[in-house]
Amino acid sequence: DGGITQSPKYLFRKEGQNVTLSCEQNLNHDAMYWYRQDPGQGLRLIYYSQIVNDFQKGDIAEGYSVSREKKESFPLTVTSAQKNPTAFYLCASSITVFGEQFFGPGTRLTVL
Amino acid sequence: RKEVEQDPGPFNVPEGATVAFNCTYSNSASQSFFWYRQDCRKEPKLLMSVYSSGNEDGRFTAQLNRASQYISLLIRDSKLSDSATYLCVAPNQAGTALIFGKGTTLSVSS
Repeated sequence: DGGITQSPKYLFRKEGQNVTLSCEQNLNHDAMYWYRQDPGQGLRLIYYSQIVNDFQKGDIAEGYSVSREKKESFPLTVTSAQKNPTAFYLCASSITVFGEQFFGPGTRLTVL
Repeated sequence: RKEVEQDPGPFNVPEGATVAFNCTYSNSASQSFFWYRQDCRKEPKLLMSVYSSGNEDGRFTAQLNRASQYISLLIRDSKLSDSATYLCVAPNQAGTALIFGKGTTLSVSS
């Protein structure tokens, strides 16, 4: 059954701690993305990757880091440098960077 | 002009009504456009792609107006289950990635 998985669904962390969000896809898509969504707001692009071992900053990359060592995986690390990390984080993938994107169920991060 | 802009609404309509949303984009060379639906606290889901010739899927019709740089979504015979936020997607000004509009909220009532 093809799709995108994100784990965990809910995540709580103390202020000042780094946290890594998981994103895995078995759709054989080349492109993957991370978005942040705040209550009542749209999706803002954090990072995206067109191919393995390559990624580009989106509009709000400060305080975040990513890696793309495998085609299937695109983990996002929220570092302590991110001022307001509490948000809904969505991962997506597509065949190409301008193709239809398919989303995982998201991770709700709360920093206490 | 913002890269992708939508009227946030909310649009409050009765069941059976026809409702239309517009979305303007800034990159005149854009080729890829989509409409997504997002339910409260859920991930966005692809509703339909927008082609130059338009696209229709049941009660939903999407159209592209290149001259005025906007895409539209028409929903006919609205159902209660159509209540959601509708996001439009278009390339950014630099042409390097797709970006999402902030969404238009639709509420259909009985």
